[in-house]
Amino acid sequence: DTAVSQTPKYLVTQMGNDKSIKCEQNLGHDTMYWYKQDSKKFLKIMFSYNNKELIINETVPNRFSPKSPDKAHLNLHINSLELGDSAVYFCASSHEGRNIQYFGAGTRLSVL
Amino acid sequence: GENVEQHPSTLSVQEGDSAVIKCTYSDSASNYFPWYKQELGKRPQLIIDIRSNVGEKKDQRIAVTLNKTAKHFSLHITETQPEDSAVYFCAASIGTGRRALTFGSGTRLQVQP
Repeated sequence: DTAVSQTPKYLVTQMGNDKSIKCEQNLGHDTMYWYKQDSKKFLKIMFSYNNKELIINETVPNRFSPKSPDKAHLNLHINSLELGDSAVYFCASSHEGRNIQYFGAGTRLSVL
Repeated sequence: GENVEQHPSTLSVQEGDSAVIKCTYSDSASNYFPWYKQELGKRPQLIIDIRSNVGEKKDQRIAVTLNKTAKHFSLHITETQPEDSAVYFCAASIGTGRRALTFGSGTRLQVQP
């Protein structure tokens, strides 16, 4: 059973389109994250949610909008996609009180 | 905010040799330091972590050391094997849970058979 699952695994789209990535965790964790890994492999935090509340919002363009319908799900919607948005997006989760973060398999987004 | 620097960016060793990867962090409030291994096309996976109240931790061929005064921590892999080849990331965070990880820039380790 996959603990942190993301869909889709691959996403190829045209500039200007709007797309969503979904993440679900079955670990019973209460905190979820979105990280972006660029072509140079740098991993950087974008957002984090704790019990459906936004707690971290790094300097990310407001074209990116996270949504957490419940503490097991964290989705990422991206409007007006740009070439520079091409990257691998990883979802992760952790339990408050414990630091260990578990990552999903990633979504490779390619904007053409 | 926290800044984590990692060296070297690439490391090539012969099978059986040891490998050492070093990281420094800037925020003295950081108290949790994990190491992740990422194989090509895969997710980052936690291999070992250390908290600021411990100076060293070992798990079979992998060990991590932490020097709080100097604000640096290191990953040591002994008796390297070809399957150790991957990108390794150090990270730091503050507090317990709810805190994002600040990652180093990664080290590509190549173990030559």
